[in-house]
Amino acid sequence: GESVGLHLPTLSVQEGDNSIINCAYSNSASDYFIWYKQESGKGPQFIIDIRSNMDKRQGQRVTVLLNKTVKHLSLQIAATQPGDSAVYFCASVRSSGDKLTFGTGTRLAVRP
Amino acid sequence: NAGVTQTPKFQVLKTGQSMTLQCAQDMNHEYMSWYRQDPGMGLRLIHYSVGAGITDQGEVPNGYNVSRSTTEDFPLRLLSAAPSQTSVYFCASGLGRGTYNEQFFGPGTRLTVL
Repeated sequence: GESVGLHLPTLSVQEGDNSIINCAYSNSASDYFIWYKQESGKGPQFIIDIRSNMDKRQGQRVTVLLNKTVKHLSLQIAATQPGDSAVYFCASVRSSGDKLTFGTGTRLAVRP
Repeated sequence: NAGVTQTPKFQVLKTGQSMTLQCAQDMNHEYMSWYRQDPGMGLRLIHYSVGAGITDQGEVPNGYNVSRSTTEDFPLRLLSAAPSQTSVYFCASGLGRGTYNEQFFGPGTRLTVL
């Protein structure tokens, strides 16, 4: 079956440092991979997505890398800020539909 | 636009009680879905709808019913609440149309079943 998992449940970084959150997936039929940010008491918020035929995509302070050979993707956050403190989820979906499969989440804690 | 709205924000039920979680979106999205989020786990799909009058089961549908009579609304019904349904429930919507599009999530409903 399809599953998306995360390597680490928590990540603590110093403010200003770069953060790297990792995710592994099992279903090579996934066409899109998405990163969501969830702040305490709120719903998931879209950060960035990447299509399966891409290796890298950049947004504002964020970069997603996709390695299809080892079925791994990562989210890099540059110059991590206190406002980045949240739980980050990866999710996957096929281009033929909208059913998202979520990973378990990584909590990012930013130290002042 | 208000986006995706959910009511209530919090709810406490006794085992066996019934209730409806409301979800509405004002973005004219065809696709709507319900997820539950349990501690230490990611979101799991309960039910989804690709348009008015069309619903289907997700990963964990047991104990929940849905209907989609309008494009805007997608209520989730618990007919006989059980403690195992204690969770945070999120509604989401997206353009749908059989292709991947960004999905937008509501703020969630925290449900406790005693």
